[in-house]
Amino acid sequence: DSGVTQTPKHLITATGQRVTLRCSPRSGDLSVYWYQQSLDQGLQFLIQYYNGEERAKGNILERFSAQQFPDLHSELNLSSLELGDSALYFCASSVREGNSPLHFGNGTRLTVT
Amino acid sequence: SQQGEEDPQALSIQEGENATMNCSYKTSINNLQWYRQNSGRGLVHLILIRSNEREKHSGRLRVTLDTSKKSSSLLITASRAADTASYFCATGRPDYKLSFGAGTTVTVRA
Repeated sequence: DSGVTQTPKHLITATGQRVTLRCSPRSGDLSVYWYQQSLDQGLQFLIQYYNGEERAKGNILERFSAQQFPDLHSELNLSSLELGDSALYFCASSVREGNSPLHFGNGTRLTVT
Repeated sequence: SQQGEEDPQALSIQEGENATMNCSYKTSINNLQWYRQNSGRGLVHLILIRSNEREKHSGRLRVTLDTSKKSSSLLITASRAADTASYFCATGRPDYKLSFGAGTTVTVRA
């Protein structure tokens, strides 16, 4: 058990809808990362937060947004969903920012129909 | 974009044999990390090797790093059925981003 909790585990929704994925980092970890994993794109870095502040952005679409709250949990919001957004979304956390080993949650599997 | 590229994409070996997979990358790094992912689960960190290190061991795992060739290898010795998984290298870059490769799928046959 990595100590990183992601909810929900599965999400099925229709195109055009909006969903929120939630992540609670491992106790003591200040940095939260979001990744998207799909069969054709591999593991893509979306965004990173450290102690509530955005630190790095990857290939995150404008339809997606995220935030890290004062209690360090994080939410990833996906809007105007398209079929191509179907993927596994992982949250990971680390003690420090900057190249530290990541602890991954078990992901949220999003299916857009 | 992905920084690391693993080779081979897939590997099938007999239980007890060794498994070797390679990772090549393109830019300078602070460290290189290897992760394992069991089907449909989150990635698990295995080992980290710093850019000034050449070899590192952890149990049945051996990692090498050649910064002149921008490549790393992961060796799993005496493989077991439980080693069946996908293995990813991740490069820790100077801009503090961690970029993952596409992974090597390892199947260990009983």
